[in-house]
Amino acid sequence: GNSVTQMEGPVTLSEEAFLTINCTYTATGYPSLFWYVQYPGEGLQLLLKATKADDKGSNKGFEATYRKETTSFHLEKGSVQVSDSAVYFCALTMGSGYSTLTFGKGTMLLVSP
Amino acid sequence: DGGITQSPKYLFRKEGQNVTLSCEQNLNHDAMYWYRQDPGQGLRLIYYSQIVNDFQKGDIAEGYSVSREKKESFPLTVTSAQKNPTAFYLCASSIRDGNTEAFFGQGTRLTVV
Repeated sequence: GNSVTQMEGPVTLSEEAFLTINCTYTATGYPSLFWYVQYPGEGLQLLLKATKADDKGSNKGFEATYRKETTSFHLEKGSVQVSDSAVYFCALTMGSGYSTLTFGKGTMLLVSP
Repeated sequence: DGGITQSPKYLFRKEGQNVTLSCEQNLNHDAMYWYRQDPGQGLRLIYYSQIVNDFQKGDIAEGYSVSREKKESFPLTVTSAQKNPTAFYLCASSIRDGNTEAFFGQGTRLTVV
């Protein structure tokens, strides 16, 4: 079956530090890949997505590149802010037809001033 | 504004009681989903529905039931057969296309007392 593996957290950074959250996947076929963010007590919001190999998704300073050869979709941001503190989920869905999302376990990011 | 509304935000249930969580969307999406979130376990799929009057079990359907009588509504009933119902429940919807993202509600936190 399909699966997503994320680095365990929490990831603790100081403001303006560089962020990387690793995500690798296992899938039969060619999935679409997503990063969602969850702020405390809220639902999930889509952060960015990529639907084919070598695509780069970007939003709000975050970026992730779909790497088919390493089956990875690592999330990066050059300079984090306190307001980026949240839980980040990597997810996949199969690109053809209908499919449900498969999520990683989430990585908590804590940014201090 | 279009979106997904879950209610209530907090719910308390006595052991042995059934309880129903509401999920309504006005995005005109065909597909709707219920996920359960527990600390450190990410999101696990309970049930999903692609069209009205049809739904499928997800990975952890035991002790839960759903209905899809209207396109806009996908209520989840947590029955007394669910042995450990205390969790954060998230409803989502999407169009029927594997490349597109799901939109999430704000969640319902259920606590058994």
